Amino acid sequence: DGGITQSPKYLFRKEGQNVTLSCEQNLNHDAMYWYRQDPGQGLRLIYYSQIVNDFQKGDIAEGYSVSREKKESFPLTVTSAQKNPTAFYLCASSPTLAASYGYTFGSGTRLTVV
Amino acid sequence: KQEVTQIPAALSVPEGENLVLNCSFTDSAIYNLQWFRQDPGKGLTSLLLIQSSQREQTSGRLNASLDKSSGRSTLYIAASQPGDSATYLCAANAGGTSYGKLTFGQGTILTVHP
Repeated sequence: DGGITQSPKYLFRKEGQNVTLSCEQNLNHDAMYWYRQDPGQGLRLIYYSQIVNDFQKGDIAEGYSVSREKKESFPLTVTSAQKNPTAFYLCASSPTLAASYGYTFGSGTRLTVV
Repeated sequence: KQEVTQIPAALSVPEGENLVLNCSFTDSAIYNLQWFRQDPGKGLTSLLLIQSSQREQTSGRLNASLDKSSGRSTLYIAASQPGDSATYLCAANAGGTSYGKLTFGQGTILTVHP
């Protein structure tokens, strides 16, 4: 079955550590996205990528970094500069950036700072 | 800047009832609008996608309408079931320089009790 796989499902980070969240898709989609979900705040866009080796900042990119070396993969690194990283992180993809056919989301990674 | 509002924030209904969830957006220049369902601790599942040129879309017991001129979309659920209990999110996809970037509402938490 085609879809988006996020791993791990749960992740714990110590203060000052960088952690990387994995996102892999086998849908052959060009565009990929990272969203952050906090209670009461809805989903907010962190980064998006239109194509391999290209990515753009979203609304809340500070403290995060991404790479897009392969079409299938769009990993997100939460750096120590992110002041409040505890949240639910969702990866998504669409055939093109225009998203004419809508988005497909992964099952999410819950990150907790300990 | 696009803003999306969902009303009500929470809704509790008895099984079998027909119900309407509302979504309003401030910028009518949208490319499409997508309705999602989210179960607790899970990712988003796409329910319906309405293109800007369309008035409504139907899938089974679900019907979504779009009125760009008034900045509104509704999700109609017929003959509700306990399995429909979840959070329902609408998201507007703006065109122009914001292609592919969804703006989400904060969701409606639906509880259908037997």
